[in-house]
Amino acid sequence: DAGVIQSPRHEVTEMGQEVTLRCKPISGHNSLFWYRQTMMRGLELLIYFNNNVPIDDSGMPEDRFSAKMPNASFSTLKIQPSEPRDSAVYFCASSFSPSVSSYNEQFFGPGTRLTVL
Amino acid sequence: AQSVSQHNHHVILSEAASLELGCNYSYGGTVNLFWYVQYPGQHLQLLLKYFSGDPLVKGIKGFEAEFIKSKFSFNLRKPSVQWSDTAEYFCAVTFLYGGATNKLIFGTGTLLAVQP
Repeated sequence: DAGVIQSPRHEVTEMGQEVTLRCKPISGHNSLFWYRQTMMRGLELLIYFNNNVPIDDSGMPEDRFSAKMPNASFSTLKIQPSEPRDSAVYFCASSFSPSVSSYNEQFFGPGTRLTVL
Repeated sequence: AQSVSQHNHHVILSEAASLELGCNYSYGGTVNLFWYVQYPGQHLQLLLKYFSGDPLVKGIKGFEAEFIKSKFSFNLRKPSVQWSDTAEYFCAVTFLYGGATNKLIFGTGTLLAVQP
């Protein structure tokens, strides 16, 4: 099993540029989560999907952030325009959840380290 | 709002010392509890989890945790740490309250450094 795959692993960009982070969940998993990790705020859940539908996006910081899951095997997190305060490690995780009211272990990807200059 | 607190931000131990990392959460209802570990430069991995049953949970690499409902706590323990345990440890909780329960709330993490 390849695990959760994220790309790119590192991204350096300039303020104002659009950034797209990609995630491929584990095959068969139907829940996908995007997290942001910073020294100041720790690990924060940004958004999660169940069966490709966004269930909770209350953690998305502002309108500059958007996430999509067009199919069960792919998701993107986009920041447009990016700002220096967006610099963080962004993790994607997936799990299999029979329903939104059940819970199973989340498996994390290696993360994307984003630096916005 | 539900929250998870980890009291120790940095812990430094010598090899063979015993470890206990504190974790408390803010909700009195039904919870699922987890400890994740993040080794330097790596992604988060599950150490152990508690859903129900025996409140003393054993995980990988000799770690265990005890759920004490009356204290809203889920402390992580290891009787004898090794240099390879140097990592950041995160307590995490899902709060079950009649709606979606997939939301995992993380504590701020504890950075453990084990000196050889």
